[in-house]
Amino acid sequence: GAVVSQHPSRVICKSGTSVKIECRSLDFQATTMFWYRQFPKQSLMLMATSNEGSKATYEQGVEKDKFLINHASLTLSTLTVTSAHPEDSSFYICSAQKPAGTPYEQYFGPGTRLTVT
Amino acid sequence: DAKTTQPTSMDCAEGRAANLPCNHSTISGNEYVYWYRQIHSQGPQYIIHGLKNNETNEMASLIITEDRKSSTLILPHATLRDTAVYYCIVRVEAGANNLFFGTGTRLTVIP
Repeated sequence: GAVVSQHPSRVICKSGTSVKIECRSLDFQATTMFWYRQFPKQSLMLMATSNEGSKATYEQGVEKDKFLINHASLTLSTLTVTSAHPEDSSFYICSAQKPAGTPYEQYFGPGTRLTVT
Repeated sequence: DAKTTQPTSMDCAEGRAANLPCNHSTISGNEYVYWYRQIHSQGPQYIIHGLKNNETNEMASLIITEDRKSSTLILPHATLRDTAVYYCIVRVEAGANNLFFGTGTRLTVIP
């Protein structure tokens, strides 16, 4: 199968601090990873597309200086929420894409619940 | 990617078949129909996908109409663990493109 992990699964931080979330593809190499955010009772919203070795592409309205994404290897992408505020509290989910040619090439992590107090 | 329309919610009795409809009237010829589901507080899980032929796997069946403007996901024997939000997504298969999640259908399986 294809397994994607996220760490931590949940985190509580104080307003103004930074939090790093890791997304790992455990048994395959992912040249592309996606970061989504989900607020309560809402659907997933794409935040950014992360490509290994290059800068991430952010969706409109997502501040790139606030949500730092690093995709330094084919199995790891990180999302750092800088100077977190209570409105950043959300469920953050990553997905990793297998190389082209496989039928369902995106696999999702279990998500990270961030609470900013 | 084409937009999809799904009912907001559905109920299904445990052990019965759950039929989840999806309209995608603006689907393009190279776009596939994908189904994912999200159990509460978890990441989405892939279920099935298809282009124009009906598909079946160990989880579900996908029935696509001949004009491809709509489809139905069938869970043949729903269990309580199938309670989730089900998302119907249309997208081209190739390339590094994200999945656009609409509002989905909240399926509740009732004992």
